[in-house]
Amino acid sequence: GAGVSQSPRYKVAKRGQDVALRCDPISGHVSLFWYQQALGQGPEFLTYFQNEAQLDKSGLPSDRFFAERPEGSVSTLKIQRTQQEDSAVYLCASSLVVWGAVQETQYFGPGTRLLVL
Amino acid sequence: QKEVEQDPGPLSVPEGAIVSLNCTYSNSAFQYFMWYRQYSRKGPELLMYTYSSGNKEDGRFTAQVDKSSKYISLFIRDSQPSDSATYLCAPSRQAGTALIFGKGTTLSVSS
Repeated sequence: GAGVSQSPRYKVAKRGQDVALRCDPISGHVSLFWYQQALGQGPEFLTYFQNEAQLDKSGLPSDRFFAERPEGSVSTLKIQRTQQEDSAVYLCASSLVVWGAVQETQYFGPGTRLLVL
Repeated sequence: QKEVEQDPGPLSVPEGAIVSLNCTYSNSAFQYFMWYRQYSRKGPELLMYTYSSGNKEDGRFTAQVDKSSKYISLFIRDSQPSDSATYLCAPSRQAGTALIFGKGTTLSVSS
């Protein structure tokens, strides 16, 4: 079946531009996570959705970062007034079960590689 | 001190070698221990998952957790060129919650 898809795969933005990154999770998956992976680093948690509810946004680095999942399926991560330090790969992951229920695999998308010039 | 420490390598071995990849962690509340494999320009994929201390074997892969020393290991037997990837350890406190990844160790297996 189809896995997690993300678009665009690559995005080049000028400093100060706004960008929107899209994630299509696996159909029926309740949980959706966004992670940021800087070059040479492991992914770092940004935010978590259970269906359409954003239950944890503790990892968002600044108020320039905003995420939504209005209908409980597709999610968008928006970065306003991009800065060079925002350059990273943004990974989306989805999981069948809710936070804290049972251990369940998180399935990752291929990521969006963002370069801010 | 970061919650999860992992030597980034790179680690280069010949085909057929036994590989040992390791992580240390600081938070004694971690109960679930995952190893993810990430190929270049791809998302991470779950390789192994262990709950609490002990060993788990899956084919050529063995995951080992020692909670007393806060040490996580992944062993790969008879390594293959297709094992060339970055290996990320990812413990978590609670089932199904956000993962805390190590930096990842880059492995290269030459034929």
